[in-house]
Parts: sequence; C-alpha cells; structure tokens
Amino acid sequence: EAGVTQFPSHSVIEKGQTVTLRCDPISGHDNLYWYRRVMGKEIKFLLHFVKESKQDESGMPNNRFLAERTGGTYSTLKVQPAELEDSGVYFCASSETGGGYNEQFFGPGTRLTVL
Amino acid sequence: GDSVTQMEGPVTLSEEAFLTINCTYTATGYPSLFWYVQYPGEGLQLLLKATKADDKGSNKGFEATYRKETTSFHLEKGSVQVSDSAVYFCAPPGKFYFGSGTKLNVKP
Repeated sequence: EAGVTQFPSHSVIEKGQTVTLRCDPISGHDNLYWYRRVMGKEIKFLLHFVKESKQDESGMPNNRFLAERTGGTYSTLKVQPAELEDSGVYFCASSETGGGYNEQFFGPGTRLTVL
Repeated sequence: GDSVTQMEGPVTLSEEAFLTINCTYTATGYPSLFWYVQYPGEGLQLLLKATKADDKGSNKGFEATYRKETTSFHLEKGSVQVSDSAVYFCAPPGKFYFGSGTKLNVKP
C-alpha cells in the first residue's frame, strides 16, 4: 500500500512568487492534515480536512496561505505571495479517524526555501 | 490550550547506552499519547502509543508509560544503536501538537 506522498520534495522560489505544494494521502483516509516546521523549531499544525471540508484551519498563519482538497482526495497548499519567513518543511499527514485518537501517517515533507 | 514540554536536544550517546527522553504534557480530552520518530530524510512515523493511564507502549526496544499523575510519557530504551539516531517527537492528546522534537545522535 502506498504511503502519503508529497510533491515537490524541494522548492526554491523568490520572495513574491507563488508556490503550490501537493499531498496525496493514503487511499481511503478521510482525514488530511498540513503541518510545517520552520527553522528547525516545533512542528506546527496548519489545518485539518475531513474529506473535502476544512474541519480546522486555526493554524493557518495568514491569508497568503490557501489549502484545498477538491473531491476529498489529494490536497494542495498554495502560498501567494511567498515571504522569507515561509521557508521551512511542510508536512502532510493522513489518518482514518480524526481528533487525535489514532495514528497519523506522514509524508516525507516538502522543503520550501524562499530567497 | 494543549501543550507539551519535551527534553531539548541534541542528546549524544554511545552505542548500548541507556536512553531517556522526558516528555510532560498539559492537555484535556483525548486519552492517547504518542511518540513519533523522524529518521534522516524521511517523514515522521509512529514509534509507539499508549491509550490510557498507566498503559505502556513499546516498539523496537523503546518503551513509554503514560503516567497520568505526573502527566508524563517519558521515552526509554535500554541499549541504543547507531540506527536509532533520529529526531523524536512526543505528541500529547489533543489537537495535533508535535513540539520541537529531541534529536538523538548515537555514536559507535
């Protein structure tokens, strides 16, 4: 069974540009989460989808970040326009059930560098 | 809100040494506690979990006991190996909080 995949693995862009990150969860997992780790600091929650609906987006830092999950399958996270402080590693995870009860399966992450 | 306090790293040990990584938490609601591990170049993966007070999770020689009275979930391993070098994250119950992790370096 394929795990959670993320694309691209690395992205280097200039300040002001747009970047779109993609996450493909494990097939059948209704729950999809985005996290990011900035400068080796703590991993911070960004948002949580249940199928195509945003269950919790309290961690989204500002309106430059837009997450979508059309059709309840893969998800995209767009940063527009990117700023220097957006650099970090963006992780996606999926799970069968939500609420923190059960294991989340993580993708390898996308390393974003904004110059 | 929910939070976790995890031992700061890096922790450097020699092979076959005893490992303890401390984790204490404040959280409400959900009973499950988790330790995740991130090996170099990979995403996080579940190492072990405990689902209720006094429950002990174990995997790959690692153990952690969920102690509700001290709100702790310390990770232990009796004899570490070089292959255990990774970043370890304590995840308390609640809203998907993973903290900053503890980097473990094991030297041969």
